Amino acid sequence: DQQVKQNSPSLSVQEGRISILNCDYTNSMFDYFLWYKKYPAEGPTFLISISSIKDKNEDGRFTVFLNKSAKHLSLHIVPSQPGDSAVYFCAARSGAGSYQLTFGKGTKLSVIP
Amino acid sequence: GAGVSQSPSNKVTEKGKDVELRCDPISGHTALYWYRQSLGQGLEFLIYFQGNSAPDKSGLPSDRFSAERTGGSVSTLTIQRTQQEDSAVYLCASSLGASEKLFFGSGTQLSVL
Repeated sequence: DQQVKQNSPSLSVQEGRISILNCDYTNSMFDYFLWYKKYPAEGPTFLISISSIKDKNEDGRFTVFLNKSAKHLSLHIVPSQPGDSAVYFCAARSGAGSYQLTFGKGTKLSVIP
Repeated sequence: GAGVSQSPSNKVTEKGKDVELRCDPISGHTALYWYRQSLGQGLEFLIYFQGNSAPDKSGLPSDRFSAERTGGSVSTLTIQRTQQEDSAVYLCASSLGASEKLFFGSGTQLSVL
């Protein structure tokens, strides 16, 4: 039973436009959410995170939005660049002190020049 | 400084053989994790080491899987009597304490024929 779902396996966006990657979760105990980015043949790298007490966190071109009532979060990348082409994983932690992250299956983003 | 190092990067083995995967965490990181990613799936938690505490082995899929961490640094994941369903990318990560911000290695691609 998937607790973190990324329903879009892939997404294509034109360079300069906005990329929106979505993630849904079912476990209301999740208190911290993260996005990781993965290039081929490399390990995932941390991108941005958000605590469940916030609804938005911004870092440069990357913004994560959290809608707790809908159990939904999204990652916005604007403007999208070809170097953003990668697989993006949504992950969640179930409570402070928990060290296990639950990951979604990932969304492959392709930014077309 | 150096990141998380994993070896080998690729391992092809025959069904029934034992394999050992190695992870060298970032120096000074007390927490070490093993995850695996099967084809088309998200990252799946396997095991967690934190300092001198007993490891959390709750994610290990069967008793054929074991891991140790010597001297609070290098870790070895051992899979005995490998099966075809063990084929996956095995990812090691480390962090400063039990942090949600994990630093991943590039992984070991294990193929069981």
